[in-house]
Amino acid sequence: EAGVAQSPRYKIIEKRQSVAFWCNPISGHATLYWYQQILGQGPKLLIQFQNNGVVDDSQLPKDRFSAERLKGVDSTLKIQPAKLEDSAVYLCASSLGIGRRVTYEQYFGPGTRLTVT
Amino acid sequence: DQQVKQNSPSLSVQEGRISILNCDYTNSMFDYFLWYKKYPAEGPTFLISISSIKDKNEDGRFTVFLNKSAKHLSLHIVPSQPGDSAVYFCAAANQAGTALIFGKGTTLSVSS
Repeated sequence: EAGVAQSPRYKIIEKRQSVAFWCNPISGHATLYWYQQILGQGPKLLIQFQNNGVVDDSQLPKDRFSAERLKGVDSTLKIQPAKLEDSAVYLCASSLGIGRRVTYEQYFGPGTRLTVT
Repeated sequence: DQQVKQNSPSLSVQEGRISILNCDYTNSMFDYFLWYKKYPAEGPTFLISISSIKDKNEDGRFTVFLNKSAKHLSLHIVPSQPGDSAVYFCAAANQAGTALIFGKGTTLSVSS
């Protein structure tokens, strides 16, 4: 079974530029999460999708971050314009779906390391 | 306000000995706890979990203990192996299908 795929793996941009990350979850997983992991911290949720609907985006800085999950499969996360403090690893995770015990466990992709200079 | 705390940033253990990683939480609504392992340049990998209705869960060399009254859990690795060297994250959830709340992680180094 293929895992969660993410691209690109690394990205370096200047502040005020824009950037987009892509995620393909595990096949059949209805729930998709984007986490931000700043150096020395644990992952922190940015946004959660159930199929193509947003479940939780309370911690997403909506003035500069946006995300979508068209057709309930792949997802993209965009930052525009980027700030220095956005330097972090952006992790995508997926799980089977809400309502089943097994969905406590989330499966993570390798992440995209973003450096904003 | 950190709801999940891993107060030891690092731990060094000799091969063959026991590794004990600790985690404390403040939110009494958490009902499920997970440990993830992370190697450099990779995403976190699910290791083991425990429901709040249990006090112990074992999977091979890995055992997680939960003390609800103390709001404390620990991960025991016996025997420790050099391949166990990684960052270990404790995570918690209060409902299936919701976001996990992570601690800052503990870096485990197992020397041969």
